[in-house]
Formats: sequence, structure tokens, C-alpha cells
Amino acid sequence: GAGVSQSPRYKVAKRGQDVALRCDPISGHVSLFWYQQALGQGPEFLTYFQNEAQLDKSGLPSDRFFAERPEGSVSTLKIQRTQQEDSAVYLCASSLAAGFYGYTFGSGTRLTVV
Amino acid sequence: AQKVTQAQTEISVVEKEDVTLDCVYETRDTTYYLFWYKQPPSGELVFLIRRNSFDEQNEISGRYSWNFQKSTSSFNFTITASQVVDSAVYFCALSEARDSSASKIIFGSGTRLSIRP
Repeated sequence: GAGVSQSPRYKVAKRGQDVALRCDPISGHVSLFWYQQALGQGPEFLTYFQNEAQLDKSGLPSDRFFAERPEGSVSTLKIQRTQQEDSAVYLCASSLAAGFYGYTFGSGTRLTVV
Repeated sequence: AQKVTQAQTEISVVEKEDVTLDCVYETRDTTYYLFWYKQPPSGELVFLIRRNSFDEQNEISGRYSWNFQKSTSSFNFTITASQVVDSAVYFCALSEARDSSASKIIFGSGTRLSIRP
């Protein structure tokens, strides 16, 4: 597609439920990032993939958060046993190659945990 | 550690006024990139500019201009003759410059800009 696509656009989860958020990067983009944006804050880095390899997961807030990109294209961010503090917008960004070629962000998934 | 500070949480001006958004950064890297992004209500982050740490020339793009001052670690953004469509949250951001892998972007907390008609 022309841009980074994220689904679902909105997700409401009951506390304790598992959720899976999907990111479709721009075709051919090697690098993929996940960010978490709490209300009124700037995006915060979660994790980074180069192709299928997860090179940096230092931003994942707990072991309830897990991300994968098994074929080096689509990525899924999974949150287990959701808690209210997980409520945020989850943004995905992709970049053409390693090194810096500019990032394109998706519109995000707004997760609300009730 | 890298850090970006946007001290202005919210700014409100009347249309056609000029407005400057402040950004101060901290990094130990000698080579880095600075960015400005716009986030309209739709939520998508829209890229505005990237500046390499070696390039201190100011840049102008239409009504937008950026002032990079390495001596004060600042990268301020000015909108001239503001318009209602400029209303959004603006983020300043910083990343390392690497050749071998992409680098995460560190964002400031954002400045919410409201332009009143």
C-alpha cells in the first residue's frame, strides 16, 4: 500500500484480556518500529525490527508485551493480560532501509482498557 | 542519555500571527538528527523536517522556518502568518545517526498549537 496501515483503528479491551495489534508497513521497507503514545505525551519507543530480526526491544514496558515480524513484513504487537495503564495509542513506523532514510508513521491503534 | 524538552505545553494565537515553538535537546552523540513532526487530530505523525547535526544552516519552507543553534542545543520552529489549518500538536525529536541500522527517535512531549480565526 501507499502508507503504513494499522489495524484495528480502535480497540476496547477488558482488563486481563489479550490483544493483538497489526502493522502493515510500506512494501519493501526493511525497518519497522513500534511506539506507545499515552494521552498528552510524545510517542515513546517500544521496539525495532530490521527485516524479521528484532534488534532492539529495550522499550517494551514489561514481559506482557511481545512483538513479532516473522516474515520481515507485517508485524504484530501483542499485549497479554492488559491493564489500564496500557491504554494508549500504539504507532507503527517503517523505513526503507537500515541507516536513515526517513520514517513513515501509521495512524495508530487507540487501545482503551476498561 | 538523549532527551528532548518542549517547555511550551500549549500555545494559542490569532490567525496571521507568527508563532515560535521551542525545542531544547540533550545528547552525548556527536552526530545526530533533529526532527519536527506535526500530529493533526487524525493522529498520524506528519514529517516536517530533518536536520543533520553537522548542518547548522537555518531552513525556510514556505511559511515554516527552523533555527538550529548547536551552541544552545536548540532547534526552534517558527510559523509565519499562521493559519487555522496549522492547529495541531507539534513534536520535536532526536535520533542518533547510524549507517548500519535505523535508530529510534526520541520525542519531546509536544506543543499543542491552536490558531483562532
